This record gives sequence, structure tokens and C-alpha cells, in this order.
Amino acid sequence: EPEVTQTPSHQVTQMGQEVILRCVPISNHLYFYWYRQILGQKVEFLVSFYNNEISEKSEIFDDQFSVERPDGSNFTLKIRSTKLEDSAMYFCASSEAGAGGAETQYFGPGTRLLVL
Amino acid sequence: GQSLEQPSEVTAVEGAIVQINCTYQTSGFYGLSWYQQHDGGAPTFLSYNALDGLEETGRFSSFLSRSDSYGYLLLQELQMKDSASYFCAVRDPGRTGSARQLTFGSGTQLTVLP
Repeated sequence: EPEVTQTPSHQVTQMGQEVILRCVPISNHLYFYWYRQILGQKVEFLVSFYNNEISEKSEIFDDQFSVERPDGSNFTLKIRSTKLEDSAMYFCASSEAGAGGAETQYFGPGTRLLVL
Repeated sequence: GQSLEQPSEVTAVEGAIVQINCTYQTSGFYGLSWYQQHDGGAPTFLSYNALDGLEETGRFSSFLSRSDSYGYLLLQELQMKDSASYFCAVRDPGRTGSARQLTFGSGTQLTVLP
């Protein structure tokens, strides 16, 4: 069964450093998302991506964040200068087009980011 | 904006039936989804209701009443492996009205006891 993959599974970084989180969405999906989950809290939307551009972003997704689809398979989230409060699990997700597609999202296993 | 309310914790024993409720307030409604998340794991899609009524998928069923802005997830014949967090979610149409991201509830931690 196709699945979303993410690398790395864990990332430890110093405050102020740049990190890049990588995702390979399911190949025939057209919509891609990044969510984050701070420990013990709910999943929060960061950004959605469609047709090679950002379609929506939340207030969390400030100028320190950026996304790219550098080739036909990878989807990356970059945090330019990490802050302590960026420590969280970051999930990539993808979904099909069509009715009900948005509600049925397939999540990757996540990258646990720890900023020291 | 979108907001969802669900109980924070539910406990039940193996073999029992448990219902997890979710009420929502949304600007635009496209349906209610349910996701399961085991500790440290990814949210996994369980079910989606676009219309009123009950949808059954094996031991899990989900119900929606759009007039009451209410839904629930019903888990039958509980097993130890069902211990997890369960999130209800709605689509957030965003600024454009056509966005597709999900807004999640705070999650219900289900503990299944032997």
C-alpha cells in the first residue's frame, strides 16, 4: 500500500540553526500539507501546497518557514532560524483531488524536532 | 474559524462499546472526519461522514447530524490495541473558501483496560 515517508525521523538542532524536513508524498496525490503537533497537544495546520505553490498557510507559518517541491517526488519544509518553541513533531500529509479527498489525508510517520 | 469539542479521556474495558462525541462550529461544512493516533505515531484516517447518518467500517462506526453540529465515533468489541487518541476533524476552507486543510479537535485519549 502506498504511504507517505518522512526523513529524518528525529532531528536535534541548536536554536538559530536551519533545518530541512523532507517528505515523499503518495505519488498520485496532488495536495500536500505540513502539520505540527507539540507534545500532548492537537495537530495544527501549517501550510498546504498545490500545483507547485502554497495554497494556504496558518499564522504559525511565518517568514521563518518555507516549503519547496524541488523535484517530482520530494516536498520539504525549511525552518530558517529555529526557536525553542519550534520543538514539535512535524507531519507531512497528502491527499487526492475530488470530493472527500481533503478529508482523507494520509500522514507520514513524522519528524520529531528538538531545538536546544 | 473552525472549532471542535471532544472529551479529553475515555476509559473502557476489553470487549465493551465506547462512543466518542464531537461537536463543531464551522464556517462552511464539508463533513466530519475521524483519525486515530497511537503514542508517537502518525494520525491515521478512520472515517468520513459528509451526510447525516451512520457509516460502518468493521468494528468502527461514525455518525453525523449536521443539524446538531454533532458527530460521534463508535468503537465496538474493544481491543487493547484500540488504546490511542482519537481526533475529530473538519475541513477548513481558509481565506479562499476552497482550501483543504484540516482543523483537528483536541483529541480523546481512549484507554482500554483488560
